[in-house]
Amino acid sequence: AQKITQTQPGMFVQEKEAVTLDCTYDTSDPSYGLFWYKQPSSGEMIFLIYQGSYDQQNATEGRYSLNFQKARKSANLVISASQLGDSAMYFCAMRDPQRLRHGSSNTGKLIFGQGTTLQVKP
Amino acid sequence: DADVTQTPRNRITKTGKRIMLECSQTKGHDRMYWYRQDPGLGLQLIYYSFDVKDINKGEISDGYSVSRQAQAKFSLSLESAIPNQTALYFCATSEYPDSSYGYTFGSGTRLTVV
Repeated sequence: AQKITQTQPGMFVQEKEAVTLDCTYDTSDPSYGLFWYKQPSSGEMIFLIYQGSYDQQNATEGRYSLNFQKARKSANLVISASQLGDSAMYFCAMRDPQRLRHGSSNTGKLIFGQGTTLQVKP
Repeated sequence: DADVTQTPRNRITKTGKRIMLECSQTKGHDRMYWYRQDPGLGLQLIYYSFDVKDINKGEISDGYSVSRQAQAKFSLSLESAIPNQTALYFCATSEYPDSSYGYTFGSGTRLTVV
């Protein structure tokens, strides 16, 4: 079964420093997608970055980059130059490659990790 | 207006009551999902739907039911609410299964069962 693990319940980082949030995944399917979402205290879910299993390069979006190590099955999120507004819960997720029926497209379900709370100190 | 709208935003209900959480979307997406979020557990899938005639159970469907009234509307019902269903509930949509954006989420419904 597919699984996502985030082992850091809480992290602190000093403003303007970089921080890495860990994420490991488990799947036997060669085709999958990995996502990171941010959830501020207001509760909404904000998409940050995506990495496909066949992508040759690590994904980047502004201050966010995904350190994708396929052999280790890890997809860590790196936030550079942390800002106070980065304080939030962060979720790693993997698209479940399950197909309901043979030959159909995958379900599109996302499997989420437990989340990591990041606090940025001024 | 938001792309995915959930109502109500907050709700307190009593044990044993039936309650419906509503979700509507203007994205035109066929795929819709209901998740619940509990502290320390992340988001868990309750039900998902590919169209009005195709509804599937997720990992934690017991105690819940859903209705896909139209492409744009997907409602979640708690037939007889219990305190351990207190959680933050999210509706989400997806354009196609391999979208690199994953989901478009609603703002969430915070449900408290007393």
